[in-house]
Amino acid sequence: DGGITQSPKYLFRKEGQNVTLSCEQNLNHDAMYWYRQDPGQGLRLIYYSQIVNDFQKGDIAEGYSVSREKKESFPLTVTSAQKNPTAFYLCASSIVGASSYNEQFFGPGTRLTVL
Amino acid sequence: AQKITQTQPGMFVQEKEAVTLDCTYDTSDPSYGLFWYKQPSSGEMIFLIYQGSYDQQNATEGRYSLNFQKARKSANLVISASQLGDSAMYFCAMREGPRAGNNRKLIWGLGTSLAVNP
Repeated sequence: DGGITQSPKYLFRKEGQNVTLSCEQNLNHDAMYWYRQDPGQGLRLIYYSQIVNDFQKGDIAEGYSVSREKKESFPLTVTSAQKNPTAFYLCASSIVGASSYNEQFFGPGTRLTVL
Repeated sequence: AQKITQTQPGMFVQEKEAVTLDCTYDTSDPSYGLFWYKQPSSGEMIFLIYQGSYDQQNATEGRYSLNFQKARKSANLVISASQLGDSAMYFCAMREGPRAGNNRKLIWGLGTSLAVNP
């Protein structure tokens, strides 16, 4: 079955530690995205990538880093510089082009808690 | 100013009845797309329906339809014959620019929580 996987589902981290969230897709999508969702809030874009080895900052990139070495994978690192990292993180992917709606398909999310 | 506004933080509907979730948007771009997503308590976002700014007809997908009023800049989601499984958060989102353009970013509303009562 095609889809997006995120691991782990729940993640606990001590303050001051970096942590990497995994996102893998087998939909053959060119574009991938990372969002952060806080309680009672909509989604805020952290980083996105439209092609391998290229990515752009979203609205709240400070304290985060990404890589896109393979089409299928777009890991997100939450660094110790992120002041308030406790949140729900969603990864998404989409086709690029006029032949579709370019709707984004989402993974199940990772809930990060900083202790 | 908010580009996507969902004015209803919470809504209740009786099972089998129809419900309308409001979404208004603000853009000066003549080409844009509007999306609705459902987020159950599990957290995953599920794409429901899409409306392009140049689409002549309102979008429909099964029990979901989009009441698109371009002049009013509104794109309300209508769910017919509500089911218990429809209880979830619903988000409206907008892409500014054409589908084939370089803009991949979606602007999201804050969501509406829908509870379907048996």
